Amino acid sequence: LAKTTQPISMDSYEGQEVNITCSHNNIATNDYITWYQQFPSQGPRFIIQGYKTKVTNEVASLFIPADRKSSTLSLPRVSLSDTAVYYCLVGDGVNNFNKFYFGSGTKLNVKP
Amino acid sequence: EPEVTQTPSHQVTQMGQEVILRCVPISNHLYFYWYRQILGQKVEFLVSFYNNEISEKSEIFDDQFSVERPDGSNFTLKIRSTKLEDSAMYFCASIDGQGGKTEAFFGQGTRLTVV
Repeated sequence: LAKTTQPISMDSYEGQEVNITCSHNNIATNDYITWYQQFPSQGPRFIIQGYKTKVTNEVASLFIPADRKSSTLSLPRVSLSDTAVYYCLVGDGVNNFNKFYFGSGTKLNVKP
Repeated sequence: EPEVTQTPSHQVTQMGQEVILRCVPISNHLYFYWYRQILGQKVEFLVSFYNNEISEKSEIFDDQFSVERPDGSNFTLKIRSTKLEDSAMYFCASIDGQGGKTEAFFGQGTRLTVV
């Protein structure tokens, strides 16, 4: 499984756009990139998944360059309630559901 | 919105005792998982379950642990002879896996405290 590297923590202010980048140099051809959010004492929650280029949903956007060795989760206009840990996962989570591993995640702290 | 439910929310047990953590995955989902998270640490994969058998397990999931799907709805994690270091949040998850549905749904977790 491809190893991921993310910043340990980030600070932001309400209303700002936040971009969290994840490095995954050893990503395989069949691997997808998935991001989860976790609030304290809660289970992780799916945010977005993509394979290449750009994916957007009602919550976030995911930017993936052509070489796919990194990805950036973009959260538009964050609020205090977006304070959480964000995990980047890389794996064949489309054709192979046997396991998916969480890295250390990025703790996002949104300030008023 | 359908959800994964876990019971109990908090379990306190004496060291050496057996505990069973219960989960009800989302109906019609095919893939089931257990994860644990020690306080302040990352979410760790324990085991995945598909078609009534274990499909993958981590090195953490040794003979002390077992999983079962006793009926069509429940998915349990049994921990035998609990140790202090088993204290953690245990999360159950499920994935539909059909028709391109790859999102994992996690339960709210069971906080296990071994004393």
